[in-house]
Amino acid sequence: DAGVIQSPRHEVTEMGQEVTLRCKPISGHDYLFWYRQTMMRGLELLIYFNNNVPIDDSGMPEDRFSAKMPNASFSTLKIQPSEPRDSAVYFCASSYNRNTEAFFGQGTRLTVV
Amino acid sequence: AQSVTQLGSHVSVSEGALVLLRCNYSSSVPPYLFWYVQYPNQGLQLLLKYTSAATLVKGINGFEAEFKKSETSFHLTKPSAHMSDAAEYFCAVTDLIGAGNMLTFGGGTRLMVKP
Repeated sequence: DAGVIQSPRHEVTEMGQEVTLRCKPISGHDYLFWYRQTMMRGLELLIYFNNNVPIDDSGMPEDRFSAKMPNASFSTLKIQPSEPRDSAVYFCASSYNRNTEAFFGQGTRLTVV
Repeated sequence: AQSVTQLGSHVSVSEGALVLLRCNYSSSVPPYLFWYVQYPNQGLQLLLKYTSAATLVKGINGFEAEFKKSETSFHLTKPSAHMSDAAEYFCAVTDLIGAGNMLTFGGGTRLMVKP
């Protein structure tokens, strides 16, 4: 398996624009996680899915953030409208089940100017 | 609620010296514990994990960690540091409450290795 695949690797956008980050988890993994990493706040769990169903989205900072998982092989994290304070590295991760470790993608570095 | 504390956001050692990165956790139930490493501009990679089997866990690249329930600790060690070990290290815990899989990370420790 190629691992967790995220796209794009880098995104630069203007404030107010919509941003969509994409993730393909490892095949067969039941859990998918979205994390945000910043210098100030470290690694924050935004939301996670189990079998395509959102389980906990309490980490989503605002209504501007939304995440979907339409099928087992694809998830999106959308920010609309984007703001400069959303600039961070966003990671997607997946795990086989609740007892196993999470595998991380390479991340998407988002810069909102 | 579970939490993880990593003492020391930056640790500097000389090449060949012992590496000790500290991690303490809090959890209401027996936890699963993990150490991840992050190299610059990369995602997190699993170093090792504790899942209630042996308390001394060996991982990749010569790292190991010991689960000590009485101290609620899971410190990461390596006998001899190598320049390639310079990276950021994250301790994480999940206590598997309910149907969830809440993996909570510590703040990270950046390891610097001096020649």
